[in-house]
Amino acid sequence: SQELEQSPQSLIVQEGKNLTINCTSSKTLYGLYWYKQKYGEGLIFLMMLQKGGEEKSHEKITAKLDEKKQQSSLHITASQPSHAGIYLCGAPDFSGGYNKLIFGAGTRLAVHP
Amino acid sequence: GAGVSQSPSNKVTEKGKDVELRCDPISGHTALYWYRQSLGQGLEFLIYFQGNSAPDKSGLPSDRFSAERTGGSVSTLTIQRTQQEDSAVYLCASSPGARDNQPQHFGDGTRLSIL
Repeated sequence: SQELEQSPQSLIVQEGKNLTINCTSSKTLYGLYWYKQKYGEGLIFLMMLQKGGEEKSHEKITAKLDEKKQQSSLHITASQPSHAGIYLCGAPDFSGGYNKLIFGAGTRLAVHP
Repeated sequence: GAGVSQSPSNKVTEKGKDVELRCDPISGHTALYWYRQSLGQGLEFLIYFQGNSAPDKSGLPSDRFSAERTGGSVSTLTIQRTQQEDSAVYLCASSPGARDNQPQHFGDGTRLSIL
């Protein structure tokens, strides 16, 4: 079965610093989703990557999928307190013929003013 | 509303009681998913609906768990004879279809606490 490993598990940065979160898959990815979760809330969809080498940006967040489609990174530039939360990577498991998602354990990000 | 709606947002109940959790997906989304998020287990898949049918129930932890969906819209997850290990956040997600690689949109979840 496919597994997603995220690193680091937690991250504390000072406001204004850049940071990177990684997501590594045990198998080739057929798509990779990044979500953000705040305590007591659901998952907020950030970005979806499908093609090897693909890169997408939204505001100060950039996500990349490597050429081999087994690793993705999420980069935040000039972090702000509003970026704090848990970042989860998810990948579709098409073994059942449909888009069931498996998730990494998450990276907990704290941004200190 | 525009997003996935779940109710109740919080539920506290005694061990052995039955609970029902509700999910109202985004209008027009044919695919609906239930996930569970608990400490130490992360986010795990429970069940998937396409329309009113549930082709995959493999993630349901035991026969105390069941779910249904009516009218291709609202879904209810029922847990009978609740146990303390059922305490978790139950999340519902929907997407326009299940075979296309489209993002799933999540509700805010129901936080279930079993005393």
